Amino acid sequence: SQTIHQWPATLVQPVGSPLSLECTVEGTSNPNLYWYRQAAGRGLQLLFYSVGIGQISSEVPQNLSASRPQDRQFILSSKKLLLSDSGFYLCAWSVLGGQNNQPQHFGDGTRLSIL
Amino acid sequence: GENVEQHPSTLSVQEGDSAVIKCTYSDSASNYFPWYKQELGKRPQLIIDIRSNVGEKKDQRIAVTLNKTAKHFSLHITETQPEDSAVYFCAARYWEYGNKLVFGAGTILRVKS
Repeated sequence: SQTIHQWPATLVQPVGSPLSLECTVEGTSNPNLYWYRQAAGRGLQLLFYSVGIGQISSEVPQNLSASRPQDRQFILSSKKLLLSDSGFYLCAWSVLGGQNNQPQHFGDGTRLSIL
Repeated sequence: GENVEQHPSTLSVQEGDSAVIKCTYSDSASNYFPWYKQELGKRPQLIIDIRSNVGEKKDQRIAVTLNKTAKHFSLHITETQPEDSAVYFCAARYWEYGNKLVFGAGTILRVKS
């Protein structure tokens, strides 16, 4: 069966520090991968998605970036964090779609607090 | 552009009553509509989904209905229980690169015992 792992679970970082969040998927090949951010008490905002190695699409202009160095690895990064980057970061995956509508499955998330 | 509106934002029901959450979408090409349940501090989990070739789908106490003409879909929870209390998100898939989902803003459901 497929599983998705995210780490760390929680992170406290000072303003201006760098960030690296990692997500890996097991049990499937060529997944679509997604990064979302969820502010406290709010909905899910899609940040990036990827349909293959090295292929990244950005949804929202910001100081974050994403990379996909391997098929089942998705990394969210920042060179200098802002206070507004605080939130709950969720990685998700889905089967490579085509015409097969498939659900997205979420990891456990990383709770990021910027001080 | 892509938009999913979800109502109500909060819903309180008595244990045993039914709860209904409604969503509307803007893109007539949307063909897949999942619902997610998110408990406090946890990840969203898929509870039911429906594809555009059917009008209704049921799984025990949960059902989803889809009206493609009106571009809206609804989640129905019957015989609600305290453990149904959570935030519920609807979503619509947009027929384009990347199998993207656009999510509604969420509904906080409180089941009072």
